[in-house]
Amino acid sequence: AQTVTQSQPEMSVQEAETVTLSCTYDTSENNYYLFWYKQPPSRQMILVIRQEAYKQQNATENRFSVNFQKAAKSFSLKISDSQLGDTAMYFCAFMTPNTGNQFYFGTGTSLTVIP
Amino acid sequence: DTAVSQTPKYLVTQMGNDKSIKCEQNLGHDTMYWYKQDSKKFLKIMFSYNNKELIINETVPNRFSPKSPDKAHLNLHINSLELGDSAVYFCASSNRPSYNEQFFGPGTRLTVL
Repeated sequence: AQTVTQSQPEMSVQEAETVTLSCTYDTSENNYYLFWYKQPPSRQMILVIRQEAYKQQNATENRFSVNFQKAAKSFSLKISDSQLGDTAMYFCAFMTPNTGNQFYFGTGTSLTVIP
Repeated sequence: DTAVSQTPKYLVTQMGNDKSIKCEQNLGHDTMYWYKQDSKKFLKIMFSYNNKELIINETVPNRFSPKSPDKAHLNLHINSLELGDSAVYFCASSNRPSYNEQFFGPGTRLTVL
């Protein structure tokens, strides 16, 4: 079974500081893809960053970067220089081609950036 | 241009009614999905569908049924609505075999009274 676990239901960070959101997953597959999605109060789901499991190099997108530890099945998201607009729910997600293109989402982490 | 659109955005209805939510994507994707997000923000896959295969989450009641008139549309029909069906429903699409991200619609907030 494919599972995604986010152990931090809520987090807060001061504006301009750095915060790390945790995510672990479980799968027996070797080929898979990992994602972080952001859901602001507007409710729209927005892709933040993506990582292919076969790539050793950690993905980065501007202020967002991941720490991908394949052996530990860990995929944490680091947000640098936090901004008020980063306040949102963050979902870690996992997809393997062998499961019909289905995505599995974690339970989310609610991040609040404090001015 | 809206990539994935859903109508309506808000739906309030009485228990026992039958309702539909429409979803359209203009991305040329071949796979579409329906998710349910409950009050605790937990996002749960309900269906995934392309022109060859419908995958149903076994926990979804058979009151829920997806209907796809064509590749760009996947509508969600719900019969005999119950209070527990109140949630936000998201449509999404993606493309094989590139395994890129899923693009989400804006969501439909369903409230059953």
